Amino acid sequence: DAGVIQSPRHEVTEMGQEVTLRCKPISGHDYLFWYRQTMMRGLELLIYFNNNVPIDDSGMPEDRFSAKMPNASFSTLKIQPSEPRDSAVYFCASSLSGGGEKLFFGSGTQLSVL
Amino acid sequence: DAKTTQPPSMDCAEGRAANLPCNHSTISGNEYVYWYRQIHSQGPQYIIHGLKNNETNEMASLIITEDRKSSTLILPHATLRDTAVYYCIVRVAQSSASKIIFGSGTRLSIRP
Repeated sequence: DAGVIQSPRHEVTEMGQEVTLRCKPISGHDYLFWYRQTMMRGLELLIYFNNNVPIDDSGMPEDRFSAKMPNASFSTLKIQPSEPRDSAVYFCASSLSGGGEKLFFGSGTQLSVL
Repeated sequence: DAKTTQPPSMDCAEGRAANLPCNHSTISGNEYVYWYRQIHSQGPQYIIHGLKNNETNEMASLIITEDRKSSTLILPHATLRDTAVYYCIVRVAQSSASKIIFGSGTRLSIRP
């Protein structure tokens, strides 16, 4: 298995633009997590899904952020409109319930909002 | 989930054992101890987890005290590639309200 795949690897955009980050979890995993990492705040859990259903989105910073999981093999995190303070590395992770709940992380998307 | 306390940084000589401590004095009986590490510019990587017995795998050993209020992650023969931030996390496993919350971790530096 190729692991968790995120795209793009790097994204540079201007303030006010819409940004869409993508994630393909490991096949068969039923949990999917979106994290954000900054120097100031460390790794923050934004939202997680179980069987494609959002379970907890209490970490989503504000209405500008939205996440979807239309099927078991694809999820998106969208920021609209983007702001400079959204600049961070965004990680997607997946796990298999009953598998010791080990999270497998993707390589992340480095987002820079100018 | 119980809170954990880790030293912000440590260093270790290459080839020696690295012992990373974690305090979790408020741990509940059904909470597991998990360890992850994050090498620069990569996503966190699972290392090991345990409930109350000591655990060992190909990456590390986990020693949990009898009262479960603290644990130690042991990298038996540290290499330069083990330089990373190590996170100790305590949480209930197999929970439908499953969240893994990362603290600030311990930044481990391996010196040649």
